[in-house]
Amino acid sequence: GAGVSQTPSNKVTEKGKYVELRCDPISGHTALYWYRQSLGQGPEFLIYFQGTGAADDSGLPNDRFFAVRPEGSVSTLKIQRTERGDSAVYLCASSLAGQTEDTQYFGPGTRLTVL
Amino acid sequence: GDSVTQMEGPVTLSEEAFLTINCTYTATGYPSLFWYVQYPGEGLQLLLKATKADDKGSNKGFEATYRKETTSFHLEKGSVQVSDSAVYFCALSALYGGSQGNLIFGKGTKLSVKP
Repeated sequence: GAGVSQTPSNKVTEKGKYVELRCDPISGHTALYWYRQSLGQGPEFLIYFQGTGAADDSGLPNDRFFAVRPEGSVSTLKIQRTERGDSAVYLCASSLAGQTEDTQYFGPGTRLTVL
Repeated sequence: GDSVTQMEGPVTLSEEAFLTINCTYTATGYPSLFWYVQYPGEGLQLLLKATKADDKGSNKGFEATYRKETTSFHLEKGSVQVSDSAVYFCALSALYGGSQGNLIFGKGTKLSVKP
């Protein structure tokens, strides 16, 4: 079956602009996660959805970052007033039920470059 | 807080050499442990996992044993191939507070295998 997909694969924007990154999880997976990966580092957790609700948004770095999952499937990560430090690969993952032992399946990522 | 420490790379080996990548963790409670792999130009994918103490995860000739007494989950392979060249990430998934299943990653270890 289809895996996790993310669009766009690359996004170049100017400092101060608004961007939206989209994630389409594996069908039937109730848990959805966003991570951010900087060069040479492991992914860092941003936000976790269980169904439509954000169960944990403790990883969002500040209030410029926001994410939604209105119908419990597709999710959008929104970044306002982008800064150069926001440049990274943004990864989305989904798992069947969000249990600690569940495997998370990752998408290919969106590479965001803020000029 | 919870954390994962894995050996610094890069690691360069000859084909058929023995591989060990060390991983230790700090966690509250009893996390599940994972090794993810990122092949060149590809997304993160699960290599193996273990969900309780003394469990051994294995896949593609790789093995790792969940050692609670030493808080470790070292990755091993008896005979590496050129196709194993990739970046390997150790991760834990802990249940704490309102979070479920958020992965905490190490920084990654880049492995290069020479023919």
